[in-house]
Amino acid sequence: TQLLEQSPQFLSIQEGENLTVYCNSSSVFSSLQWYRQEPGEGPVLLVTVVTGGEVKKLKRLTFQFGDARKDSSLHITAAQPGDTGLYLCAGAWAGNQFYFGTGTSLTVIP
Amino acid sequence: DVKVTQSSRYLVKRTGEKVFLECVQDMDHENMFWYRQDPGLGLRLIYFSYDVKMKEKGDIPEGYSVSREKKERFSLILESASTNQTSMYLCASSFGRQGRYGYTFGSGTRLTVV
Repeated sequence: TQLLEQSPQFLSIQEGENLTVYCNSSSVFSSLQWYRQEPGEGPVLLVTVVTGGEVKKLKRLTFQFGDARKDSSLHITAAQPGDTGLYLCAGAWAGNQFYFGTGTSLTVIP
Repeated sequence: DVKVTQSSRYLVKRTGEKVFLECVQDMDHENMFWYRQDPGLGLRLIYFSYDVKMKEKGDIPEGYSVSREKKERFSLILESASTNQTSMYLCASSFGRQGRYGYTFGSGTRLTVV
């Protein structure tokens, strides 16, 4: 199993603040996905990135895939309480199935 | 609205019992997966299936088996439940090669083995 690290593990911020969470591997991803999981529910897919340097935006969320395809970041602008949840990245190497990181638990305080 | 449905949200079973967790998807997806999720360990793949009557071991298959008799249904079986199998169990489905278009997850079954 490939190692996929997410940081920070926990993040608690005030409403309106910006934040960035990270997903890193020592190996090159063939593609990478980001999910959000709310308490008591399963993860929900937010985005898939496949090209090095790719940037995708989903409203206030910006996803970036590193040029070398070994890392990815998720930036949230003006966080809202509804953004609270566990953010998971899932990476695939050489076309194999996806492996999930341990996640970043985000709490946005009103 | 497309969905993956897990039969139970909460289960409490006794050590040594045989436990069946059921998962049904209505999206005609060929791929189905069973994960367990534990704090600090993330999602770990137990078993997966790319077709009817086909199954492959994931990273932690010990103590589990699966059954896929119909395309829409993927069952996880704990042959003899143990306390270290207390966990959140998540079923997922996808189409296309190995989930590259994303997984659709069920809401999970929180299993407690006492």
